[in-house]
Parts: sequence; C-alpha cells; structure tokens
Amino acid sequence: AQSVTQLDSHVSVSEGTPVLLRCNYSSSYSPSLFWYVQHPNKGLQLLLKYTSAATLVKGINGFEAEFKKSETSFHLTKPSAHMSDAAEYFCVVTEVFNKFYFGSGTKLNVKP
Amino acid sequence: GAGVSQSPRYKVAKRGQDVALRCDPISGHVSLFWYQQALGQGPEFLTYFQNEAQLDKSGLPSDRFFAERPEGSVSTLKIQRTQQEDSAVYLCASSLGPGNGNTIYFGEGSWLTVV
Repeated sequence: AQSVTQLDSHVSVSEGTPVLLRCNYSSSYSPSLFWYVQHPNKGLQLLLKYTSAATLVKGINGFEAEFKKSETSFHLTKPSAHMSDAAEYFCVVTEVFNKFYFGSGTKLNVKP
Repeated sequence: GAGVSQSPRYKVAKRGQDVALRCDPISGHVSLFWYQQALGQGPEFLTYFQNEAQLDKSGLPSDRFFAERPEGSVSTLKIQRTQQEDSAVYLCASSLGPGNGNTIYFGEGSWLTVV
C-alpha cells in the first residue's frame, strides 16, 4: 500500500533563510514522487517530480528535492525563502499513474 | 483554453439537492481525474478516465457520486441527495496520457458547501 507522511503541518521561516519541508513515503515498488504547491484559492501547481531518473530533482522557483530510497524520504528544500513562497505544499506518491496519494500538507509561513 | 477549467467555482447546495460539477480539461489530454479535498486535508482520489472510459472509480465515496465523460473531453461529476459531509473542494486534473513522465495539471476546483 502507498502512503505519504508530511512530518510538519506548519513551518515558519524568516525571509532569506533556508526552507526544509519533510516527506516520508511508503511504497511497495518504485514510486514516482511529486511536490505540488497550493496558494490560497488557487489550483495545485507542480513544483517538481521524481520518476526514477536523477535522485536530486530541481524544480521551479529554486526548489529542489532529493529522493533517498534507504530513508524512504523525499524532502523539499530551498536555500533562501521568499515572501511569495508562503503557501501550502503537498508531497505526492504514485505507483500506478492514475492514482495520486497526497500527504496532508505543510503550510509554509515566511516572516519578513 | 490554457489550463483545466472548472465550473461553478463556488456552489452552495441545500441538503438533499443534486449538484453537477463540470470540468474542461486541457485540449488533447487523454487522462482526466477527479479528487476531493476536505478542509485542512490533502486531496483524495475519486475517479479516473482515459478518454471516455472510466477505468477506476474506486475512490467514489458512495453511490450518490457519479462521474461521466461521454465524448472523451468534458467531464461532469454529479452528486445526488447532497449531505453535509460532501462539503469540500472538488478538483479536476488532466494529463496527456497515463505515462509516468506526463505532468498532471489541476484546475482551481469547485468549492461545494452543503447547508
């Protein structure tokens, strides 16, 4: 069975400091993993995806994530937070393409 | 259009009323998905279409929920005899096809409130 655990429901950082959003997954096979961002009253936007190529994945807006099979983790990072990064972030796992399993989300707050 | 379009964006329904939510996927996209997002939670899978064929409806919570895509493009999610627990955002998404390399694009959702 597949599942995703986002370890923090809320993360607060100061502008210009690093961001770390943690995600652990459970999967029987080789999963595909994604991070999506959701701004208030907006649709989900793809940040980045891992589909069994390079384990370090670079996405939009300076975000990146590293797939670590031994730790079953896919944490999202960014070296320097910007005010516009404040949003909710979802980690997603899928084995069978047609069914995404979402984590419960992490709300990122960026303080000036 | 440029993205996945959903209508209505907001719907208030009285308990027991039937509702229909429409999704216009990106032109040419074969795969179409419906998800339900309750307040404060991540989206949960409802159903999946490949062209007009509904290949997976395992996530539909009850027989009051019905989805169709008769011509392989526009899709409608219908909820009969709405209940308060149906209050949620209903997200539609589409992709070029079922391959893992294809990105799934989400619409902005239809916000349903049952009173």
